[in-house]
Amino acid sequence: NAGVTQTPKFQVLKTGQSMTLQCAQDMNHEYMSWYRQDPGMGLRLIHYSVGAGITDQGEVPNGYNVSRSTTEDFPLRLLSAAPSQTSVYFCASSSPGSSGTEAFFGQGTRLTVV
Amino acid sequence: SQKIEQNSEALNIQEGKTATLTCNYTNYSPAYLQWYRQDPGRGPVFLLLIRENEKEKRKERLKVTFDTTLKQSLFHITASQPADSATYLCAPGPRSGNTGKLIFGQGTTLQVKP
Repeated sequence: NAGVTQTPKFQVLKTGQSMTLQCAQDMNHEYMSWYRQDPGMGLRLIHYSVGAGITDQGEVPNGYNVSRSTTEDFPLRLLSAAPSQTSVYFCASSSPGSSGTEAFFGQGTRLTVV
Repeated sequence: SQKIEQNSEALNIQEGKTATLTCNYTNYSPAYLQWYRQDPGRGPVFLLLIRENEKEKRKERLKVTFDTTLKQSLFHITASQPADSATYLCAPGPRSGNTGKLIFGQGTTLQVKP
């Protein structure tokens, strides 16, 4: 199984440009999430989805949009990139479970906004 | 607001010793707590999950404790090896079972010296 696949692995954007970070999972997981990771800040939740057609905001949603049209895909859109969005972005997926289930992460996208 | 604290200072230990990492949380009543390992340039990888009714969980050289009174989890690696060097993240899990919105601590970096 491929697990969680993120593309691209690296990206450089100019301020004001837009782009979409792709995330796909082949485990039929209902839950998918986007995190950003900055030095000393740990993983911060941007947006998450509990199923196709359902999304919600996390801790740091400003400047990012998401949609979930299929179970497999959960793209993250930057409408107008800013230097503050320079970060490493991780996508994760998991199954529902009140007693807890593990999250599977992609390899990350390293984004630099100049 | 919910707060998760891990020791931000790196933990340096000698090979063969036991490493102990701490995760404290406030304004939160998690149903379970997860621990992840993250290597440089990679996404986090799930290690262990402990539920609120479990005091201790073991997996090979790993041991996790969960004290809901102290609001603390301890993560132990016995007989540590240089290959255990990584950043370790804790993530208390919500009672809703929505692992799509896991909130992570900032992580503690462990360095095991030969």
